Amino acid sequence: KNQVEQSPQSLIILEGKNCTLQCNYTVSPFSNLRWYKQDTGRGPVSLTIMTFSENTKSNGRYTATLDADTKQSSLHITASQLSDSASYICVVSAAAGGGADGLTFGKGTHLIIQP
Amino acid sequence: KAGVTQTPRYLIKTRGQQVTLSCSPISGHRSVSWYQQTPGQGLQFLFEYFSETQRNKGNFPGRFSGRQFSNSRSEMNVSTLELGDSALYLCASSRNSESNYGYTFGSGTRLTVV
Repeated sequence: KNQVEQSPQSLIILEGKNCTLQCNYTVSPFSNLRWYKQDTGRGPVSLTIMTFSENTKSNGRYTATLDADTKQSSLHITASQLSDSASYICVVSAAAGGGADGLTFGKGTHLIIQP
Repeated sequence: KAGVTQTPRYLIKTRGQQVTLSCSPISGHRSVSWYQQTPGQGLQFLFEYFSETQRNKGNFPGRFSGRQFSNSRSEMNVSTLELGDSALYLCASSRNSESNYGYTFGSGTRLTVV
């Protein structure tokens, strides 16, 4: 069964600090992995998308890494800001050509940035 | 460029009633998928429509149904509402029905069943 596990479940850090969120998956065959940011009461917004051959993808202060051999990904947030407070969801897609039913969602990491 | 629009944003319904939610995709996007999000289960796939046809369906009871119109707008209907149907319902649009393309989510409809 395809699964995506995220850790930690929740995290509190001080503004200006860095943090790293983890995503382990057992989706097969693998097509791509996406990180989404979801503010409370809003829909998820895409941060990065990586295919099998990509190891790193950056989007401003967000840097995602992918190790397809160990089936692990991380999202690193640099110099956190209060606006980074949100849930971060890891989504893994099965082989290309499949539809939305091929997406496996993690339950997210709830990040709180304290001033 | 307008994003994915979901209406209404909030709904309160009574057990046993039915509800219809609407989703207007990004212009040019032909695929619309629906998801239920609850704190305990996270995002769960409901169904996906492409060119007015249901392409695939998640593991939800038949009370959950949907359709897509020729302009790609989609509606989702839930009949005989139960308390457990309270959730944030999200739709996402994509250029086509292949998951290697990006999915853009709407802001969701918050449904509360009392």
